[in-house]
Amino acid sequence: SQQGEEDPQALSIQEGENATMNCSYKTSINNLQWYRQNSGRGLVHLILIRSNEREKHSGRLRVTLDTSKKSSSLLITASRAADTASYFCATAFPAQGAQKLVFGQGTRLTINP
Amino acid sequence: DGGITQSPKYLFRKEGQNVTLSCEQNLNHDAMYWYRQDPGQGLRLIYYSQIVNDFQKGDIAEGYSVSREKKESFPLTVTSAQKNPTAFYLCASTPRVWGANVLTFGAGSRLTVL
Repeated sequence: SQQGEEDPQALSIQEGENATMNCSYKTSINNLQWYRQNSGRGLVHLILIRSNEREKHSGRLRVTLDTSKKSSSLLITASRAADTASYFCATAFPAQGAQKLVFGQGTRLTINP
Repeated sequence: DGGITQSPKYLFRKEGQNVTLSCEQNLNHDAMYWYRQDPGQGLRLIYYSQIVNDFQKGDIAEGYSVSREKKESFPLTVTSAQKNPTAFYLCASTPRVWGANVLTFGAGSRLTVL
C-alpha cells in the first residue's frame, strides 16, 4: 500500500505547548502536503513541501521532510485552542496527477485551555 | 469569494433510495473530485473529472455515479447499489489534474442511511 501513516492517531496538549505530528510513506514522492480539518468540515490546505526541500515554514507551522526515511513531521508552535482539529498528510507521486494523492488517516489534535 | 459549495450539509436516506449530492465551484477550476471519509480513516477517491463531459472512476466507484455537464458543477449520486453509504462526502477541485495538485475542498455532506 502507498498509504501514508500518521502518528500519533490522537494528541492532547496544553495551550501554549508545541504539537508534533508525523507522517510516513512507502514510495518516492513528488511532494507532501498537510491539511487541516475542523470537526464536521472540509479540509483546508496548510503547506506543501517538495521532495527536494527539507524544511518549510508558514507562520507557526514548521514542516520537515526526510526522503531517506520517507517521513515528514508537522510542528505547530505555541498552540492555541483554535488549533484543535484533525491534521492529514497527503502524498503526491512523480508523474501522477492530483487524482493519485494519498491521504493518511489523520492525527486528531486537542488543545486544552 | 471563490469556493466550493456542497449541499445538503446533512441528508438522510432510506435503504433502496438514490440520493444526489450537489457540488458547485466558482473557482474556474477544470478538475473536480469526490471523496468519501469514514471515521478514523483517510479520504478515498470515488470519482474525478478533468474536463466537462468527462469523468473517471476512482478507487471506490462502485455504487456511485457522477455527471459533469457544466464546468462549475459535479453532482454525485449515491445509488441503492452502494452497500454502506453512510459517510461524510467531500467535493474538491484543482485548477487542473496535472501539475497543480493542491486541493480546495467544500464543507462536506453527511449522508446517513436509516
